[in-house]
Amino acid sequence: DAKTTQPTSMDCAEGRAANLPCNHSTISGNEYVYWYRQIHSQGPQYIIHGLKNNETNEMASLIITEDRKSSTLILPHATLRDTAVYYCIVRVGPFYNQGGKLIFGQGTELSVKP
Amino acid sequence: GAVVSQHPSRVICKSGTSVKIECRSLDFQATTMFWYRQFPKQSLMLMATSNEGSKATYEQGVEKDKFLINHASLTLSTLTVTSAHPEDSSFYICSANGFSQANTEAFFGQGTRLTVV
Repeated sequence: DAKTTQPTSMDCAEGRAANLPCNHSTISGNEYVYWYRQIHSQGPQYIIHGLKNNETNEMASLIITEDRKSSTLILPHATLRDTAVYYCIVRVGPFYNQGGKLIFGQGTELSVKP
Repeated sequence: GAVVSQHPSRVICKSGTSVKIECRSLDFQATTMFWYRQFPKQSLMLMATSNEGSKATYEQGVEKDKFLINHASLTLSTLTVTSAHPEDSSFYICSANGFSQANTEAFFGQGTRLTVV
């Protein structure tokens, strides 16, 4: 699976959009971009995933560049409860017929401040 | 969405004893489950892949005789930390994948905080 690079930490003001970047320059054509987050002392939570088109759900938006070498997770109106470590993971998907293990990098520690 | 439950959420045990952690998929069948370990201020480290009805596959450097994994049914995998020592104190997390095509993401348990004294 391709390696990802994320900033170690970021701050965001409450109510503002949080934009979390991820570089995955060695991504292959059949690899998806997944985002998970982990709130302190809890298990990771799925946020969103995509292959090449931009995706949006009730939690966030995922913007993938045309060359697929980087992506941005957008939390449109960050709240204090969005303070967490955000992990960008690239892997062959979908899960149910591809083994499914996730390899976590160091992630980005997002702090949402009042 | 799919729910994965771990039990217990916290456990304290004496050095030299064994501890069993359960991971259950509550509303779907999971042919494959994964066990992770997380030390403070660090990321999740994959320990092993648990396959229903067969032996687990361990990641390099993980002692299979120390971390026993059993996946006897489609809804339950267990991790037993044998002869626990203080250095085994960590946050253990499981995840599960399901059968349904709607499950395109892994579902994680809430984690088990193990403290060995």
